[in-house]
Amino acid sequence: DQQVKQNSPSLSVQEGRISILNCDYTNSMFDYFLWYKKYPAEGPTFLISISSIKDKNEDGRFTVFLNKSAKHLSLHIVPSQPGDSAVYFCAANAGNMLTFGGGTRLMVKP
Amino acid sequence: NAGVTQTPKFRILKIGQSMTLQCTQDMNHNYMYWYRQDPGMGLKLIYYSVGAGITDKGEVPNGYNVSRSTTEDFPLRLELAAPSQTSVYFCASSQWDTEAFFGQGTRLTVV
Repeated sequence: DQQVKQNSPSLSVQEGRISILNCDYTNSMFDYFLWYKKYPAEGPTFLISISSIKDKNEDGRFTVFLNKSAKHLSLHIVPSQPGDSAVYFCAANAGNMLTFGGGTRLMVKP
Repeated sequence: NAGVTQTPKFRILKIGQSMTLQCTQDMNHNYMYWYRQDPGMGLKLIYYSVGAGITDKGEVPNGYNVSRSTTEDFPLRLELAAPSQTSVYFCASSQWDTEAFFGQGTRLTVV
């Protein structure tokens, strides 16, 4: 019973174009959402977050959108770069526990 | 600037053996976590701690034990290793319930 789902296991995008990674959740108690990036043989690194009181947060090329009514969030990367190729995890926080989605592997082609 | 340090990086265990995965952080974070990541899957929370002397179970605690005697250290103990515990283990820490910082992981194989 996955509370956080990333339905696309992989995504391929051309360099310079927009990458859109999606995430759905079921628990309405989640109040803080995060995106992590993970390279092979490394731990996940924090990318960007958003509180449930907001619907958008931007940090350079990365923007996270939150649609609470649809229980959906997305990460936009513009423009995509080959160095962005990694696995992206969304995560949601309710109290002390971070719940992660299964990840989406992004491949940015030169 | 070490952050979260995990040891060992790799380990092969025989079924029934025990071992401790070490985790230490130098950021004075209150919260610490242990996750496991199985191939093609997301991270599942094993145990977490909100401060020294306080631990609690996550989603998949069976077969594991933890302790938190200091703010810095949060070791994970496997008592009777089973093949189902073959995974990559990540330790993380955070200041309260904000973004967590992860270690580089321990790849464990139980044969």
